Amino acid sequence: GAVVSQHPSRVICKSGTSVKIECRSLDFQATTMFWYRQFPKQSLMLMATSNEGSKATYEQGVEKDKFLINHASLTLSTLTVTSAHPEDSSFYICSAPITSSEQFFGPGTRLTVL
Amino acid sequence: AQRVTQPEKLLSVFKGAPVELKCNYSYSGSPELFWYVQYSRQRLQLLLRHISRESIKGFTADLNKGETSFHLKKPFAQEEDSAMYYCALRATPSGNTPLVFGKGTRLSVIA
Repeated sequence: GAVVSQHPSRVICKSGTSVKIECRSLDFQATTMFWYRQFPKQSLMLMATSNEGSKATYEQGVEKDKFLINHASLTLSTLTVTSAHPEDSSFYICSAPITSSEQFFGPGTRLTVL
Repeated sequence: AQRVTQPEKLLSVFKGAPVELKCNYSYSGSPELFWYVQYSRQRLQLLLRHISRESIKGFTADLNKGETSFHLKKPFAQEEDSAMYYCALRATPSGNTPLVFGKGTRLSVIA
């Protein structure tokens, strides 16, 4: 069945470095993917909408130069956290719609910035 | 602006007892409402959606536009129902529209 994968599942990095997170749709194509951020014991907050072949749409308050999104193909979107700082530590989740009413979610990536 | 409110962070019930997870929304149009569930160490997955009017794993939810609510109900809770439940709203019926989530309610079913 349709699955969305994320890689890596966990990453620890030093402050100031950049981290790339991949989101892949398996067995289906996704012209749109969504990136969410989840703080401990809080809800999923939409960060941006990734659009294949065009620029991502960022939510208010999300720095597009800090969170670079590239939707290079119909099955891959990447989120790069540039010059990461401890406050960027969070759980990042992507999702991809498979029908007009259903989205599949990735397992999430836990980022820890030291 | 769209908003989803789940007033309870934690709900504990005994096995066999009825369950109701509350969800209220704020949106001026006609939204689509969903319930997602996240079991321990698993990814978020769709439980049910209001347009389907279906019952999944014994759970049902009715959209009440007058009260702007979409409460999730189950008459007899089971231990395997213990999980995190998120109510979500989508403003337009399009796959390219993102979901707005509530903060979630952790359901704990006690044996």
